[in-house]
Amino acid sequence: DGGITQSPKYLFRKEGQNVTLSCEQNLNHDAMYWYRQDPGQGLRLIYYSQIVNDFQKGDIAEGYSVSREKKESFPLTVTSAQKNPTAFYLCASSMTSGHYSYEQYFGPGTRLTVT
Amino acid sequence: AQKVTQAQTEISVVEKEDVTLDCVYETRDTTYYLFWYKQPPSGELVFLIRRNSFDEQNEISGRYSWNFQKSTSSFNFTITASQVVDSAVYFCAWNTGNQFYFGTGTSLTVIP
Repeated sequence: DGGITQSPKYLFRKEGQNVTLSCEQNLNHDAMYWYRQDPGQGLRLIYYSQIVNDFQKGDIAEGYSVSREKKESFPLTVTSAQKNPTAFYLCASSMTSGHYSYEQYFGPGTRLTVT
Repeated sequence: AQKVTQAQTEISVVEKEDVTLDCVYETRDTTYYLFWYKQPPSGELVFLIRRNSFDEQNEISGRYSWNFQKSTSSFNFTITASQVVDSAVYFCAWNTGNQFYFGTGTSLTVIP
């Protein structure tokens, strides 16, 4: 089955700790994305990557870091510098054609709670 | 600035009623894509449809239909004969190039 996996589904951390969220896709998509969703809100882009070893900041990158060492993997680290990290995190991937990206496919999400 | 507006925050309908979800976008680009996604209570976004800016034909898929009008910068989504399983948050999104812009979503509740 092709798709995107995110683990774990629920994650609890103490304030001041870094935490890494996993995202893996077997759709052979070039582009991958990380979004944050707060209750009652839309999706806000954290980082995106069009190719391996390259990524760009989105609208709310502060306090987050990513890596893209393999095409199928795009882990997100929530650092202690992120002031309000408790949120629902969604990973997505899409095919690309030249300058454009096609529809995104999303993983099931990770709900992070920091206390 | 690129923007997607979903003015309806919450909608409730009784089962079997038709319902239309509104989406208005702002752009100066001539080439772009529009999308609708469904987010059920489980949280995972499900892709429903993609439309490119050069294709204004309406689309119908079962009980779902989409109306794209460039003249009013709108891409509305209609569910005919709604069912309880349609209860979800629906997002409209816009894309050109590498970034996607999402509306804030419309929460639809279908009452049995």
